[in-house]
Amino acid sequence: TQLLKQSPQFLSIQEGENLTVYCNSSSVFSSLQWYRQEPGEGPVLLVTVVTGGEVKKLKRLTFQFGDARKDSSLHITAAQPGDTGLYLCAGERTYNTDKLIFGTGTRLQVFP
Amino acid sequence: DVKVTQSSRYLVKRTGEKVFLECVQDMDHENMFWYRQDPGLGLRLIYFSYDVKMKEKGDIPEGYSVSREKKERFSLILESASTNQTSMYLCASRQGWGTEAFFGQGTRLTVV
Repeated sequence: TQLLKQSPQFLSIQEGENLTVYCNSSSVFSSLQWYRQEPGEGPVLLVTVVTGGEVKKLKRLTFQFGDARKDSSLHITAAQPGDTGLYLCAGERTYNTDKLIFGTGTRLQVFP
Repeated sequence: DVKVTQSSRYLVKRTGEKVFLECVQDMDHENMFWYRQDPGLGLRLIYFSYDVKMKEKGDIPEGYSVSREKKERFSLILESASTNQTSMYLCASRQGWGTEAFFGQGTRLTVV
């Protein structure tokens, strides 16, 4: 059973639309990261959030860590074809482990 | 430029063979990981190493073992390959809690 579940699993939208991807768990995480993976490549880090309620913005991407540190969301405004890829959340359960657990992934396709 | 290098991009092995997947990082990171990536399941942790000769089981260790004799090298071993181990295998390294995980480009293993 995977601790981090993402929804939706697939998302196919037109350029210019907004979207939100969710990462949920019944467990508390000490930190949460979001990665994007393109075909043939390994995942690349987008952001790290560590405080409950924290919001971070990266251009058109907005990341939020839930108040209880059990969930996170990624919102993309005015999606572009270059946003296409697999989005993965990842986290650590406690502060004294470096073990990184990944979510189930959301595959985003943005059409021109 | 930081780098995690996996020894093979593609590998085809026969059922019952012993398979070695090698991973080398040049960042002097303490932690190294082996993940398995399957559609709809995201990245599942097989094994994690937090120091030379130290390892910890991940979520799906059955059928796999690992070796870390030197800090920069982390090997994944399939003692007797089976068809259900056909997958994409990703190696990663990171320094510690909350830091970025750097990935290799993956090894697509097919067991026939």
